[in-house]
Amino acid sequence: NAGVTQTPKFRVLKTGQSMTLLCAQDMNHEYMYWYRQDPGMGLRLIHYSVGEGTTAKGEVPDGYNVSRLKKQNFLLGLESAAPSQTSVYFCASSHLGHRGRHGSSYNEQFFGPGTRLTVL
Amino acid sequence: RKEVEQDPGPFNVPEGATVAFNCTYSNSASQSFFWYRQDCRKEPKLLMSVYSSGNEDGRFTAQLNRASQYISLLIRDSKLSDSATYLCVVNFPLRGNKLVFGAGTILRVKS
Repeated sequence: NAGVTQTPKFRVLKTGQSMTLLCAQDMNHEYMYWYRQDPGMGLRLIHYSVGEGTTAKGEVPDGYNVSRLKKQNFLLGLESAAPSQTSVYFCASSHLGHRGRHGSSYNEQFFGPGTRLTVL
Repeated sequence: RKEVEQDPGPFNVPEGATVAFNCTYSNSASQSFFWYRQDCRKEPKLLMSVYSSGNEDGRFTAQLNRASQYISLLIRDSKLSDSATYLCVVNFPLRGNKLVFGAGTILRVKS
């Protein structure tokens, strides 16, 4: 199993250009997520999906769009890139939350290797 | 106040030392707690979940204090390979049960 894969690994864009980041998972997970990670800050949720054909906004959705046309793929689009979108982008996936042996509900997230995006 | 707060460190410790990190969270309704490990320029990976009764996995011990709303991670007999950033992660039930990540604590183990 490849787990969670992301393409591309690196990209440099000029302000105003558009691009799509692709995330793929082969674990048959229902949930998928897009995060961005900036220095000194925790991972921040951009958008997420609880199943094929459904998406929802996370904490920082402005300037991004997503699509989940197939269960295994989750695409993140930047329509008009801005320097503030320079970041490392991580995709993650998980099963539905379920009860662990101590009664807690949890959903371990598995992450892709990340995409380093620079917007000039 | 940040929803999940960690001391950024770095914690510089010699091999064999015991080191502990704390993490505070703001939502008293949170039910799921985790420690993730992130190596430099790599993706986060689950280190261990944190249970109410506390749990241990080899050299790692995690504890939860609901009354004071913090979790802790204790690493005994530190190895060079333990050098990484440790992320505290908490679920927020009123926000669709999404996970909120702390900014991380940097650990550097030196020989």
